[in-house]
Amino acid sequence: ETGVTQTPRHLVMGMTNKKSLKCEQHLGHNAMYWYKQSAKKPLELMFVYSLEERVENNSVPSRFSPECPNSSHLFLHLHTLQPEDSALYLCASSRRASGEAFFGQGTRLTVV
Amino acid sequence: GIQVEQSPPDLILQEGANSTLRCNFSDSVNNLQWFHQNPWGQLINLFYIPSGTKQNGRLSATTVATERYSLLYISSSQTTDSGVYFCAVSSGSARQLTFGSGTQLTVLP
Repeated sequence: ETGVTQTPRHLVMGMTNKKSLKCEQHLGHNAMYWYKQSAKKPLELMFVYSLEERVENNSVPSRFSPECPNSSHLFLHLHTLQPEDSALYLCASSRRASGEAFFGQGTRLTVV
Repeated sequence: GIQVEQSPPDLILQEGANSTLRCNFSDSVNNLQWFHQNPWGQLINLFYIPSGTKQNGRLSATTVATERYSLLYISSSQTTDSGVYFCAVSSGSARQLTFGSGTQLTVLP
């Protein structure tokens, strides 16, 4: 099942670039999430949106900027990233915040 | 916040063997999920199991909420079972899942 779709799957960007990650869910869910998975570390929550309102911002640097224009779409805008931001970025959705979550395929980001 | 510990961190099996993965958590939970992360990074839902027992083919899971642990059983393992298995929980008013560090499973042919 690919109820949550992320694009692009892979992204290489320079430190001065601006790019965006996109997430789309087709499950009729009301909550969406961004998680970050760095090498050898557990998944870390970045942002939570519930009914298109940001309800959690887990001390994420301002070079990461989320946007949730509607309950089906979630973006992560990236600018002036650092090499240590290289990671797998995973989007998820659930029917309600803290409900059963379903994840997209992830975007593997490399900052050079 | 809630703490999640998974054991063992690494597990190597011969094809056909059975295994048990454990997840301990430090507080009462209202959501507990088991995931399998495939080699391409995607998290595949295995079980949504805040309490009780469920089975799906060769996989089964049990959560004993009062004792704050969950077990994932894999029977007759196959090479395609290889990957990282994560336990994730949410507790109280938390809106997100907290993940354990995972168990890296390698099934040898």
